[in-house]
Amino acid sequence: KAGVTQTPRYLIKTRGQQVTLSCSPISGHRSVSWYQQTPGQGLQFLFEYFSETQRNKGNFPGRFSGRQFSNSRSEMNVSTLELGDSALYLCASSYRGYTEAFFGQGTRLTVV
Amino acid sequence: ELKVEQNPLFLSMQEGKNYTIYCNYSTTSDRLYWYRQDPGKSLESLFVLLSNGAVKQEGRLMASLDTKARLSTLHITAAVHDLSATYFCAVDPYSGGGADGLTFGKGTHLIIQP
Repeated sequence: KAGVTQTPRYLIKTRGQQVTLSCSPISGHRSVSWYQQTPGQGLQFLFEYFSETQRNKGNFPGRFSGRQFSNSRSEMNVSTLELGDSALYLCASSYRGYTEAFFGQGTRLTVV
Repeated sequence: ELKVEQNPLFLSMQEGKNYTIYCNYSTTSDRLYWYRQDPGKSLESLFVLLSNGAVKQEGRLMASLDTKARLSTLHITAAVHDLSATYFCAVDPYSGGGADGLTFGKGTHLIIQP
């Protein structure tokens, strides 16, 4: 079956702009989590959605937001981009949120 | 705050040798995962350990979990070059109230030389 699909794969944005990333989970999975990966901070949890509801949020500023649609697809949005937002953003889907998570290929965001 | 510590963070070893990567975590949890990441790629799930004493093996890799000691190990047997990658352990602090997100270790960058 198809895996987790993230689009776009690469993005270059300018400081101050906003960006929207998309994640389509594995069919049947209702939980989508987002993670940020940087060389300095490693992998950090952003937030998790289950059945269109945000169940938990990591320690990130309010510029980072997300949503989940009725078909379980999820988007995350980063407003007022800063240079430090440059990272690999990974989406993970799982059946219930506490079951095994499968990761997408990621979106590489570069802020210039 | 849950802390996950991996060691070593960098490991260079020769083919054919054995080695162990350690993952310590700071709070009670019986859900631990091991992932592999190749350069520029995403995370590939290797093992899911869901109870004390769990042991899983796949090829030359074997993972175990000791929830009392809050320790997981990833053992590499007779390493081959194809196992060169970065390995992450991740702990799920799930307490029944919904997903809290995985807390990852910093990763072990493994290089296996011929």
